Amino acid sequence: IAGITQAPTSQILAAGRRMTLRCTQDMRHNAMYWYRQDLGLGLRLIHYSNTAGTTGKGEVPDGYSVSRANTDDFPLTLASAVPSQTSVYFCASSLTPQSSYNEQFFGPGTRLTVL
Amino acid sequence: GQQVMQIPQYQHVQEGEDFTTYCNSSTTLSNIQWYKQRPGGHPVFLIQLVKSGEVKKQKRLTFQFGEAKKNSSLHITATQTTDVGTYFCAGPGTPLVFGKGTRLSVIA
Repeated sequence: IAGITQAPTSQILAAGRRMTLRCTQDMRHNAMYWYRQDLGLGLRLIHYSNTAGTTGKGEVPDGYSVSRANTDDFPLTLASAVPSQTSVYFCASSLTPQSSYNEQFFGPGTRLTVL
Repeated sequence: GQQVMQIPQYQHVQEGEDFTTYCNSSTTLSNIQWYKQRPGGHPVFLIQLVKSGEVKKQKRLTFQFGEAKKNSSLHITATQTTDVGTYFCAGPGTPLVFGKGTRLSVIA
């Protein structure tokens, strides 16, 4: 693995189903993030984690949950998917939580469609 | 947290024309970052500006940080089809605060 990987690449999901999007990084970065990007729009932060064992809510956390059991993995769970959660989901990481002098590295994204 | 406003939202240019996107804040920024996202791709870090009045160049791309550190710009000289994508600025915060982006399309 080099960088950040996300799985699955794409998924079509029935409304009401539970879904976990996976994210793994091998850069030993402390901070990780989940964003959603709706068609043609900007990035919106869902949840973040400054370090293993801690998580925080972003701009649009409702309907999503995360966990950070270790440094490398940061899964995002949709407990009961709804069509408005159709989006492209990006996982990202940075060496430290402080934004100053720290670039974010993004994964390739997961394209999720909820019907 | 701090917010950064990015303009324009969209820009269509003929190949060979110049392009500029602006990022503005109502408060002083300690630094600003710029990212590019190609169509169908993920955001990729381009550069970070830290100093007041700083200017950095990457080939045809020129990045500026305002003297008051409240605004920044990205200028592309003689656009090419490879420049197509969305350009995001990001202001400091824990976590980073992204602008909504400027989508650039280049007409060959």
